[in-house]
Amino acid sequence: SQELEQSPQSLIVQEGKNLTINCTSSKTLYGLYWYKQKYGEGLIFLMMLQKGGEEKSHEKITAKLDEKKQQSSLHITASQPSHAGIYLCGADTDSNYQLIWGAGTKLIIKP
Amino acid sequence: ETGVTQTPRHLVMGMTNKKSLKCEQHLGHNAMYWYKQSAKKPLELMFVYNFKEQTENNSVPSRFSPECPNSSHLFLHLHTLQPEDSALYLCASSLPGLAGGPVISYNEQFFGPGTRLTVL
Repeated sequence: SQELEQSPQSLIVQEGKNLTINCTSSKTLYGLYWYKQKYGEGLIFLMMLQKGGEEKSHEKITAKLDEKKQQSSLHITASQPSHAGIYLCGADTDSNYQLIWGAGTKLIIKP
Repeated sequence: ETGVTQTPRHLVMGMTNKKSLKCEQHLGHNAMYWYKQSAKKPLELMFVYNFKEQTENNSVPSRFSPECPNSSHLFLHLHTLQPEDSALYLCASSLPGLAGGPVISYNEQFFGPGTRLTVL
């Protein structure tokens, strides 16, 4: 199994609906990064979380870090077509100083 | 504009060809990375350079050869590739750790748009 599991793998959501993407680590989290990627393009940084219980928001996207569960969630409120893409989480764990990555969640917004 | 550029954006090559991927960053960063992204798989870190010194080589086959002539430029030289090497190759940069030490990854990495490589 992967060290950093993202769920779901893909998600189709009606425009205007809320959604949540999860990222769960098998190791202790020291930092968690969320990125967004459009098909075939580079990753765009969204947010970084470092402390347990930390919550950050940017426009309609909110990310939380649950240190005890070694998990982060990304929540999008009132989804829009511009939210479509692949969301990836990357994590600092206690194994080394490199980021490990989830496989991504593909988000499709239905008009 | 991410500040990290990659060329070419698309590359098709035969298994006997030699080609190079180029990455350039204009952000003043001193750590640079090469990643391989295959469909439905996590990003695979290939190489890390910190202040022009290679600090990581994650068991990458020798048919991939990195070069970092200065802190702003990173190359990936390719030769005798296999069809399974077809993927999106992403370059990233970030603020570094101490020179000569490991890269401290608590600073976000800035990614280029990638090179879509197809090996025939």
